[in-house]
Amino acid sequence: DSGVTQTPKHLITATGQRVTLRCSPRSGDLSVYWYQQSLDQGLQFLIQYYNGEERAKGNILERFSAQQFPDLHSELNLSSLELGDSALYFCASSVDELGHYEQYFGPGTRLTVT
Amino acid sequence: DAKTTQPNSMESNEEEPVHLPCNHSTISGTDYIHWYRQLPSQGPEYVIHGLTSNVNNRMASLAIAEDRKSSTLILHRATLRDAAVYYCILRDVSYGNAGNMLTFGGGTRLMVKP
Repeated sequence: DSGVTQTPKHLITATGQRVTLRCSPRSGDLSVYWYQQSLDQGLQFLIQYYNGEERAKGNILERFSAQQFPDLHSELNLSSLELGDSALYFCASSVDELGHYEQYFGPGTRLTVT
Repeated sequence: DAKTTQPNSMESNEEEPVHLPCNHSTISGTDYIHWYRQLPSQGPEYVIHGLTSNVNNRMASLAIAEDRKSSTLILHRATLRDAAVYYCILRDVSYGNAGNMLTFGGGTRLMVKP
C-alpha cells in the first residue's frame, strides 16, 4: 500500500459526458501528479500540482483540467469525453516540488468511455 | 529527459538473479537514473535510483557504468512476485529544470518461471 488513494476504482460513462477523478496523496506529500496509461500511448504525464499551485504540465488535453485543494487532495476533471479517453488514470505524490524524491503511485482509476 | 533503451522482455527462473539492462548514451551530468516497476493491475512502484555510484536497497541493486551511459538493475533472487514491467527513467533535477515528472518508455517485461 503506497498511501495514495484514488476514487473511484472504476468508472463507465458515455461519450460527451464529464467525470471527476479524485486523489488523496500520502500524508506529508505536497506534490500530486496525474498520469494516463493507455494501450497505445503507454504511461504519460499529464500535470503536477505542488501545494495548491500548478507546477508542470505535460500533454494534457484542453478538455482536461485539475486542481489541488487546501487539504492537498487533487481532482482531475475530464469533459466532453471521447472513446479514446478510455484509460487508466494514476495519481502519484511526492514530498517535494522538483523531483528529488521518489513518487508514490495510487492504484489508479480505470475509465471506460462507451 | 534523455532517452533510455531497454529490451522489450526478459525471462528468469525463480530464485535466480536477474540483470535488467538499460542504455542511456545521451545522459547528462545532472541526470539521475531511476527505476520503477509496475506489477500487473497496479500503479508503478519506485525501486531504486542513483547518480554515479552503485546503490543497494532492500529491493534491488543498481550498477552504473563508469561512463554512465548504461546501468543494470539487479534482482538478487527473483520471485514470482517480481514479474512486472521495469522502467528505467532519467530525471534531471538541476535547479530551474521542470524535470520533476517521470517520462516512461516501454520498459522491460520480466517474466519469472517457477
